[in-house]
Amino acid sequence: KTQVEQSPQSLVVRQGENCVLQCNYSVTPDNHLRWFKQDTGKGLVSLTVLVDQKDKTSNGRYSATLDKDAKHSTLHITATLLDDTATYICVLIDRGSALGRLHFGAGTQLIVIP
Amino acid sequence: DMKVTQMPRYLIKRMGENVLLECGQDMSHETMYWYRQDPGLGLQLIYISYDVDSNSEGDIPKGYRVSRKKREHFSLILDSAKTNQTSVYFCASSLYRVNQDTQYFGPGTRLLVL
Repeated sequence: KTQVEQSPQSLVVRQGENCVLQCNYSVTPDNHLRWFKQDTGKGLVSLTVLVDQKDKTSNGRYSATLDKDAKHSTLHITATLLDDTATYICVLIDRGSALGRLHFGAGTQLIVIP
Repeated sequence: DMKVTQMPRYLIKRMGENVLLECGQDMSHETMYWYRQDPGLGLQLIYISYDVDSNSEGDIPKGYRVSRKKREHFSLILDSAKTNQTSVYFCASSLYRVNQDTQYFGPGTRLLVL
């Protein structure tokens, strides 16, 4: 069974600092990986998708990496803002699944303080 | 403006009552999903719908059923709700099956079953 593990579970940083969120997964050889941001009480919003065997993406202050050999992804947030306070969820897209399954991590809760 | 809507946003029911959660999307997406999100767990897939009257069970379908009579509308029904169905329920949609493109999420419905 595919599992997606995120660390840390929660993180507190000061505004302006950088932070790194981790995502490790097992199984599912053919996959893409997507990072979502979930504001409190809201739905999930896609930040970026990683596709290649060793991939890097950048979306403003968010950048992400994927290493399929290591089954590992990171999300970097540069110069954090108070609005970055949210839960960040790593999601594995199983491209081999006929049903179009997603496998969700439990999320990292990021709190940015002044 | 692409949008997934959910109604109601908050709901309190007594054990044994019936529950109807509604989801709508204005993007003519073929595929729609219902998930539940519980603390410390990733989103869990309840049901997928590939089009009108074309529904498949997800990972945790027990105690739930769905209805899709129009492409833009997908309902989740709890017949005789149980306290362990207290959760936040998310609806999502994608143009095709998710292994080809992204999912768009609604804001969620918080259900409390007493």
